[in-house]
Amino acid sequence: SAVISQKPSRDICQRGTSLTIQCQVDSQVTMMFWYRQQPGQSLTLIATANQGSEATYESGFVIDKFPISRPNLTFSTLTVSNMSPEDSSIYLCSVLAGQGGNQPQHFGDGTRLSIL
Amino acid sequence: DQQVKQNSPSLSVQEGRISILNCDYTNSMFDYFLWYKKYPAEGPTFLISISSIKDKNEDGRFTVFLNKSAKHLSLHIVPSQPGDSAVYFCAASAPTSGTYKYIFGTGTRLKVLA
Repeated sequence: SAVISQKPSRDICQRGTSLTIQCQVDSQVTMMFWYRQQPGQSLTLIATANQGSEATYESGFVIDKFPISRPNLTFSTLTVSNMSPEDSSIYLCSVLAGQGGNQPQHFGDGTRLSIL
Repeated sequence: DQQVKQNSPSLSVQEGRISILNCDYTNSMFDYFLWYKKYPAEGPTFLISISSIKDKNEDGRFTVFLNKSAKHLSLHIVPSQPGDSAVYFCAASAPTSGTYKYIFGTGTRLKVLA
């Protein structure tokens, strides 16, 4: 199974600042996913990051707030911009376990973000 | 609108007994269902899955049952062990615009008592 490294593991930030989260996979993958888990809530998909094209954002999430980069098949970044306390969440990246059809996802350990 | 629901936020079970975690869904287009386990400070780990064409899938101590008419699935853990104490998420996926979108429930915290 894919090994996913996510950095930072946690951070405390001031409101109005931005933070970039990195996700590194030990194998080449077509799609990478970014999720958010707010306290007591389910994992919510923010966007799908495809290499060589713009990320696809889910309803309620916009590129200006959550810009994503996908420079190659093993790496992606998610930036949380102009942060407010409502952005305090765990942010997770994931990849599909295999090719084609329904597949489980492998997740990184997440970035726990607190905004003061 | 929560398409995947886990109505029990927590569950306590004695070691050696059966743990039953439940999940309900509303979207009849879901064709693949998964269970994940999550320990604190770690990402979710895939546990077991089931296709909509089946009603049962078993892997060691873990069995997932799917009742499509009731739009309900459950995860059975037998026998439960203290190391099973974690948060369990069910998830469902449906084909969407050439890919698959996964919807997660809010999780059930299982505590297995020694």
